[in-house]
Amino acid sequence: SQKIEQNSEALNIQEGKTATLTCNYTNYSPAYLQWYRQDPGRGPVFLLLIRENEKEKRKERLKVTFDTTLKQSLFHITASQPADSATYLCAPSNTGKLIFGQGTTLQVKP
Amino acid sequence: DGGITQSPKYLFRKEGQNVTLSCEQNLNHDAMYWYRQDPGQGLRLIYYSQIVNDFQKGDIAEGYSVSREKKESFPLTVTSAQKNPTAFYLCASSITTANNEKLFFGSGTQLSVL
Repeated sequence: SQKIEQNSEALNIQEGKTATLTCNYTNYSPAYLQWYRQDPGRGPVFLLLIRENEKEKRKERLKVTFDTTLKQSLFHITASQPADSATYLCAPSNTGKLIFGQGTTLQVKP
Repeated sequence: DGGITQSPKYLFRKEGQNVTLSCEQNLNHDAMYWYRQDPGQGLRLIYYSQIVNDFQKGDIAEGYSVSREKKESFPLTVTSAQKNPTAFYLCASSITTANNEKLFFGSGTQLSVL
């Protein structure tokens, strides 16, 4: 069955450093992959979408890569800030129905 | 102020009771979705609707029912057949169900069993 894996352990980093979150998927080939941010007790908010023919996508301090050979996406936040602390969800898609990973919680310490 | 509104924020269900979660959007989106989120787990799709008067089961539809009588509204009923209903419920919408459409989420409803 289709499976998505994100780091289950929280990622703790110092302010100003680059945070890197990993999303691995198995048993399917998504045409798109989306990343969302979720704050406690709130709904997820869309951040970035990357297509299978794109290797990299950037938006301000965010960068996403998509390696269809490794079946992996990496999500980077450069110059991280305490306000970046949240849970980040990846969601690959090839059928119109998004399948979400369990998310990785990022904690940026001042 | 455009977006998706879910209500109530908190809901309690008694044994054997059906409860309905409200979801309204004013984004003029055709597609709407219901997800369930349990602690430490990803979002799981309960039901989705591509257009008015049409809806399909997601991965965990048992014990739930929906209706889509209006474009703006997609209420979810948690029936007494759902034996483990305690979870955070999220409603979302998108322009269509195409692969590249981003989802817009509501603020969620936390359902607990008394």
